[in-house]
Amino acid sequence: AQSVSQHNHHVILSEAASLELGCNYSYGGTVNLFWYVQYPGQHLQLLLKYFSGDPLVKGIKGFEAEFIKSKFSFNLRKPSVQWSDTAEYFCAVLKRSQGNLIFGKGTKLSVKP
Amino acid sequence: EAGVAQSPRYKIIEKRQSVAFWCNPISGHATLYWYQQILGQGPKLLIQFQNNGVVDDSQLPKDRFSAERLKGVDSTLKIQPAKLEDSAVYLCASSLDRGDYEQYFGPGTRLTVT
Repeated sequence: AQSVSQHNHHVILSEAASLELGCNYSYGGTVNLFWYVQYPGQHLQLLLKYFSGDPLVKGIKGFEAEFIKSKFSFNLRKPSVQWSDTAEYFCAVLKRSQGNLIFGKGTKLSVKP
Repeated sequence: EAGVAQSPRYKIIEKRQSVAFWCNPISGHATLYWYQQILGQGPKLLIQFQNNGVVDDSQLPKDRFSAERLKGVDSTLKIQPAKLEDSAVYLCASSLDRGDYEQYFGPGTRLTVT
């Protein structure tokens, strides 16, 4: 069965530290890849997405992610985190033509001011 | 643009009782999804509608869960009877169409079964 693995359950960083959250998926076909974020008390919202083309994708709030097809990975990065980045981050995979997202378990990010 | 609306936001019931959740998607969105998010896990798709037809309900526990989207707009998800393991957040999402379209999520309904 296809799955999405997020390597870290909880990451704690100080402000200005760099962030990298790992995501690997097991599906071998053509996929679209997403990172969603859920700020405390708010809805899930899209951070960035990869459909095709340049494997380095830039999203909102200075986040970016790199799709490495050979490694089935889609890691999320940010060079310098802020306290306001404290949230839970979910990686998700969508099988083309089906529309059902498969989510990882999420990584909780806590940024200390 | 109004987002995906869900109600109620919170619900506490005893096991074996029934409960219903309501979702109103973004206007014009043909595809509607219900997800279940158990604490500590990512959302899991329960059912997907395209207009008023079911596209995928392979992970819906059909002995106790049911969902409908009769007029192709809003939708209800029902659990009858509820079990303790149904305690979760139930998320509704919508997208313009199936496939390569962004899904927009509602605030969710937090269900506690005691």
